[in-house]
Amino acid sequence: NAGVTQTPKFQVLKTGQSMTLQCAQDMNHEYMSWYRQDPGMGLRLIHYSVGAGITDQGEVPNGYNVSRSTTEDFPLRLLSAAPSQTSVYFCASSPTSGSYNEQFFGPGTRLTVL
Amino acid sequence: AQTVTQSQPEMSVQEAETVTLSCTYDTSESDYYLFWYKQPPSRQMILVIRQEAYKQQNATENRFSVNFQKAAKSFSLKISDSQLGDAAMYFCALSAGANSKLTFGKGITLSVRP
Repeated sequence: NAGVTQTPKFQVLKTGQSMTLQCAQDMNHEYMSWYRQDPGMGLRLIHYSVGAGITDQGEVPNGYNVSRSTTEDFPLRLLSAAPSQTSVYFCASSPTSGSYNEQFFGPGTRLTVL
Repeated sequence: AQTVTQSQPEMSVQEAETVTLSCTYDTSESDYYLFWYKQPPSRQMILVIRQEAYKQQNATENRFSVNFQKAAKSFSLKISDSQLGDAAMYFCALSAGANSKLTFGKGITLSVRP
């Protein structure tokens, strides 16, 4: 199993550009989520999904969209990038939405918005 | 709302010694789980240990153990026989309620002196 994969690993955008961060998992996990990591802030939840076709907002959803058309994929879209979205983005998955679950993280995407 | 506080930004330990990383949390849920994640320089998030709130016994994983004080809402991580490979950022995290939403602390950077 590849686990949780994310592409790209690094990306530089200009303000106002749009892009999609890809996330895929091959463990047949129901639950997937996106976090951003900023220095001194820990990781903060952006959006999450408890199954195909179901998504919800996390703590910092503004400026981001998600969709979950398949169990495997959970892309994160930046509609109009802003310098405040410069961050490291992590995708994670877990077998179900239960709080007891370990979350499996992807390797992260470092995004810089100029 | 739930919060996780890691008040020490950095700590240092001599190789082979023992170090304790502190974490406090707050939640109104009665059923919750606490986690310690390790993030080495590779950026990969790795689960170190997990504690179920309803279990009084402290969790242990090899050289890693926790001191879970439910009444004080404290969840510290003890690393025994520290090794150079333990150098990393460590995050305390809380998951409560119906979904696997993780709330992270700001993290602590642990360095290990040879």
